[in-house]
Amino acid sequence: EAGVTQFPSHSVIEKGQTVTLRCDPISGHDNLYWYRRVMGKEIKFLLHFVKESKQDESGMPNNRFLAERTGGTYSTLKVQPAELEDSGVYFCASSRDRSYNSPLHFGNGTRLTVT
Amino acid sequence: KNEVEQSPQNLTAQEGEFITINCSYSVGISALHWLQQHPGGGIVSLFMLSSGKKKHGRLIATINIQEKHSSLHITASHPRDSAVYICAVGDSNYQLIWGAGTKLIIKP
Repeated sequence: EAGVTQFPSHSVIEKGQTVTLRCDPISGHDNLYWYRRVMGKEIKFLLHFVKESKQDESGMPNNRFLAERTGGTYSTLKVQPAELEDSGVYFCASSRDRSYNSPLHFGNGTRLTVT
Repeated sequence: KNEVEQSPQNLTAQEGEFITINCSYSVGISALHWLQQHPGGGIVSLFMLSSGKKKHGRLIATINIQEKHSSLHITASHPRDSAVYICAVGDSNYQLIWGAGTKLIIKP
């Protein structure tokens, strides 16, 4: 099966611009997660979708970040307007269900650089 | 103090050596993950465990729930094992709390 794919792999934008990251989970995976690693820090949870619904968005840093998963397939994460501290690597993961017999599958990440 | 602590932060070893990476956590968890991040950046899930021990090829992961400690072992290490190994713990909401990672370099 195809893995989790993320697009773009790299993005360089200026402060104040808008960027949209996309994640295509494995087909049939209802659960989709966004994480990010900002420079020098541990990876942090951002949010969790079950199908098209936001199950948990407690990790979203502020209202400049908007995540959607229309139709319960792919998800987008928009940053508007981007700030310097948003630079980092954004990872997406998916799983079939929330049980601990259903492992997470990760994408390769999107490296975002805000200048 | 981070809720998930990994040691060592960096580890360099010769090919063939037995490798141990440790993870201690201070929160209640439902499961612990060991993940591998290659220089290209992608993350691969190695193990997900909530008790006991799991083995896959040359990799072995153990967890002691009472002591809140897990170890990842690599037997007969190889240069292709060079990567960052990350421990992450999951709570009931399936959020993951991540360790800082252990950078492993295996020299031929």
